Amino acid sequence: AQSVTQLDSQVPVFEEAPVELRCNYSSSVSVYLFWYVQYPNQGLQLLLKYLSGSTLVKGINGFEAEFNKSQTSFHLRKPSVHISDTAEYFCAATTSGTYKYIFGTGTRLKVLA
Amino acid sequence: DAGVIQSPRHEVTEMGQEVTLRCKPISGHNSLFWYRQTMMRGLELLIYFNNNVPIDDSGMPEDRFSAKMPNASFSTLKIQPSEPRDSAVYFCASRLQGPRVGAFFGQGTRLTVV
Repeated sequence: AQSVTQLDSQVPVFEEAPVELRCNYSSSVSVYLFWYVQYPNQGLQLLLKYLSGSTLVKGINGFEAEFNKSQTSFHLRKPSVHISDTAEYFCAATTSGTYKYIFGTGTRLKVLA
Repeated sequence: DAGVIQSPRHEVTEMGQEVTLRCKPISGHNSLFWYRQTMMRGLELLIYFNNNVPIDDSGMPEDRFSAKMPNASFSTLKIQPSEPRDSAVYFCASRLQGPRVGAFFGQGTRLTVV
């Protein structure tokens, strides 16, 4: 069965420092992977997605993620964070044979001044 | 496009009352999802519509919950009667056919049942 694990529930980081939010998935078939961001009192906004091809995916707001099939990971990175990046980040997975998105439990990124 | 529009943004109601949440998906999108988000359970898929037809309602908690999509531009989620444990943020999301595109979420309705 498909599952998505976000290993860190909270990640504090200082402004202008780099950050990595971890996501691991399990799937027996080809998988599509997504990262969403949720700002306080807002809905989820798509940051980036991996469908196929290049394993490094660039998204909005300077974020990027790398698909690693051997490690079944899709970690999200940003080289220099801003206070405005404070939000909750969700990793999600799906496959071509289903309509469902499997969401991780979320990682709360707190950027400190 | 204005995105997925949900109303109301906030709803406070008394236990036992009927609550109706509304959603207008993005024009042209033919798949619609209702999710519930709580601290304890995270994001839960309640129901999925494709071309206005409910395909999977296995996530609907119990018979008190019902959802309809009378046309491509409108969906409702009704809770009757409401209970305090229904307090949560309810999201509507829509997308084009197929999972590759990702879903677009509304701003959510924060429901508080007292």
